[in-house]
Amino acid sequence: GAVVSQHPSRVICKSGTSVKIECRSLDFQATTMFWYRQFPKKSLMLMATSNEGSKATYEQGVEKDKFLINHASLTLSTLTVTSAHPEDSSFYICSASPTRTGRLGGYTFGSGTRLTVV
Amino acid sequence: AQSVTQLDSQVPVFEEAPVELRCNYSSSVSVYLFWYVQYPNQGLQLLLKYLSGSTLVKGINGFEAEFNKSQTSFHLRKPSVHISDTAEYFCAVITNAGKSTFGDGTTLTVKP
Repeated sequence: GAVVSQHPSRVICKSGTSVKIECRSLDFQATTMFWYRQFPKKSLMLMATSNEGSKATYEQGVEKDKFLINHASLTLSTLTVTSAHPEDSSFYICSASPTRTGRLGGYTFGSGTRLTVV
Repeated sequence: AQSVTQLDSQVPVFEEAPVELRCNYSSSVSVYLFWYVQYPNQGLQLLLKYLSGSTLVKGINGFEAEFNKSQTSFHLRKPSVHISDTAEYFCAVITNAGKSTFGDGTTLTVKP
């Protein structure tokens, strides 16, 4: 079945530094990838949708300059949290779909990245 | 706009008992329905989905769900749960345009 690998699984960084999270589709080409943020005991909040070769579409309230998304190939999308602050600490999850909407198969999710900013 | 309401935030149940996790949704457009499971510090795993056709959908790990259009519900059921089913369960809807909306999750705790 479709596998999405997310790396790193955990990262601790100092306030003011940048952190890059990778999301790879291992056995399919992901034309669309999604980035979510999950707060403790809360649901997933869609941050942005990225389509290979084009700019990401950010959800309302998500800072584009703070959460940089790159989807340069059909198997890799990256999320860079720039100038991280403690309030950016969260669980970030990516998902991928071989179609532009994901409706046919549902999304395949990565295992998530626990970001802690100290 | 779409919204998803998972009616129970926590469901405790004894091992081998049946369980139902409830999900209601609202949407002004047609949507597709999904249930996901999340184990601690992990991503989400697809349990089952309803795209069209038979309203009773069977998924992995013995779970099934029934789509009820008139009641706009998509409740998840399992006739006999195991300790290993303890996890967070999310109901989600996705529009044709790919817009996804998740419920707040239901914590299923299976006790011995």
